[in-house]
Amino acid sequence: DIQLTQSPSFLSASVGDRVTITCRASQGISSYLAWYQQKPGKAPKLLIYAASTLQSGVPSRFSGSGSGTEFTLTISSLQPEDFATYYCQQLLFGGGTKVEIK
Amino acid sequence: QITLKESGPTLVKPTQTLTLTCTFSGFSLSTSGVGVGWIRQPPGKALEWLALIYWNDDKRYSPSLKSRLTITKDTSKNQVVLTMTNMDPVDTATYYCAHGVVVVAATHFDYWGQGTLVTVSS
Repeated sequence: DIQLTQSPSFLSASVGDRVTITCRASQGISSYLAWYQQKPGKAPKLLIYAASTLQSGVPSRFSGSGSGTEFTLTISSLQPEDFATYYCQQLLFGGGTKVEIK
Repeated sequence: QITLKESGPTLVKPTQTLTLTCTFSGFSLSTSGVGVGWIRQPPGKALEWLALIYWNDDKRYSPSLKSRLTITKDTSKNQVVLTMTNMDPVDTATYYCAHGVVVVAATHFDYWGQGTLVTVSS
């Protein structure tokens, strides 16, 4: 069974910061990875699929990269509305990364 | 416009079977490359994928819960049903259904229901 491990699990950052979240797969999964953003009390929102394809309507400050076992989600300039929890997914989900305001 | 909505009991007793229904609109589950998945989230915890059914009736289950889960579809009613047996208080969670899209050999979820909170308690 493929396991996804996200790091860090918690991240404190300021508006304007560049933020990078990592997702490691227990075995190679090619480019079969998606990223989601979830805010409290809301359903998750798809940001990126196929490791690097930006979902329609998602701001270009979000980007994804990687293949095989290591993937990253990058927010180039953190905005106030980006403070949320982020999950990677390949059917199973990673444990999540909570991004909070420093 | 794709919408999904979960329905079912808000409270179940331990050992009972949970039956949840996802009613959707804006797409057909007979269209190639489409699926409907179930995902849950215990209060304050991470998302957990449970099950997925595809247009061709192929089914996938979470390895850790496979023995307790059954997913079925009724294409004519635009519904997907998830049953989970032997419910326990640790199964207390918000349960979501979501529209799945197959890209190459992977499925991601681009539309989600609002979720329904299921509490397991005697």
